[in-house]
Amino acid sequence: KQEVTQIPAALSVPEGENLVLNCSFTDSAIYNLQWFRQDPGKGLTSLLLIQSSQREQTSGRLNASLDKSSGRSTLYIAASQPGDSATYLCAVTLTGNKLTFGGGTRVLVKP
Amino acid sequence: NAGVTQTPKFRVLKTGQSMTLLCAQDMNHEYMYWYRQDPGMGLRLIHYSVGEGTTAKGEVPDGYNVSRLKKQNFLLGLESAAPSQTSVYFCASSFRGLGNQPQHFGDGTRLSIL
Repeated sequence: KQEVTQIPAALSVPEGENLVLNCSFTDSAIYNLQWFRQDPGKGLTSLLLIQSSQREQTSGRLNASLDKSSGRSTLYIAASQPGDSATYLCAVTLTGNKLTFGGGTRVLVKP
Repeated sequence: NAGVTQTPKFRVLKTGQSMTLLCAQDMNHEYMYWYRQDPGMGLRLIHYSVGEGTTAKGEVPDGYNVSRLKKQNFLLGLESAAPSQTSVYFCASSFRGLGNQPQHFGDGTRLSIL
């Protein structure tokens, strides 16, 4: 059974510092890995999707890397801002239609 | 664009009552999903559908039923609500179930069972 782990569960950084969020998974036979953002009381917003054949994806200040062989992904957020405060979740797809989620990392960026 | 819309947003039920949660998407997506989110457990897939008229079980299907009579709608039913079903329920949809299609989520339904 696929297990997805995100450590730490919570993170607090001063504004301007780079954020590094970690995700690990037990089964390397994945279709893709996605990073989501969740604001309090809201649904999930897809940030980046990395195909199993890719090593990284970038969007603005966000960069996500994927190492299938070691079962790890890292989300980097450069020059963090208070508006980046949210919970970040990673999820992997083993088949084409089901996601397995990690428990999330709650991020607080202090002004 | 509305995207994925869930109704209701909040509901309180008594044990044993039944209710239906509605999910509607206007993106012509083939695949739709129902998840529940519980503290410390992340999101878990309840049921999903790969097209109109089809449904399949996810990770935690017991106590729930679903129907996909129309492509744009995916209904989640609780026949006899139990306190263990207190949770936040999220609906999602994707164009296909392929690995390059992100899922789009609704804002959730917060359900409390007393």
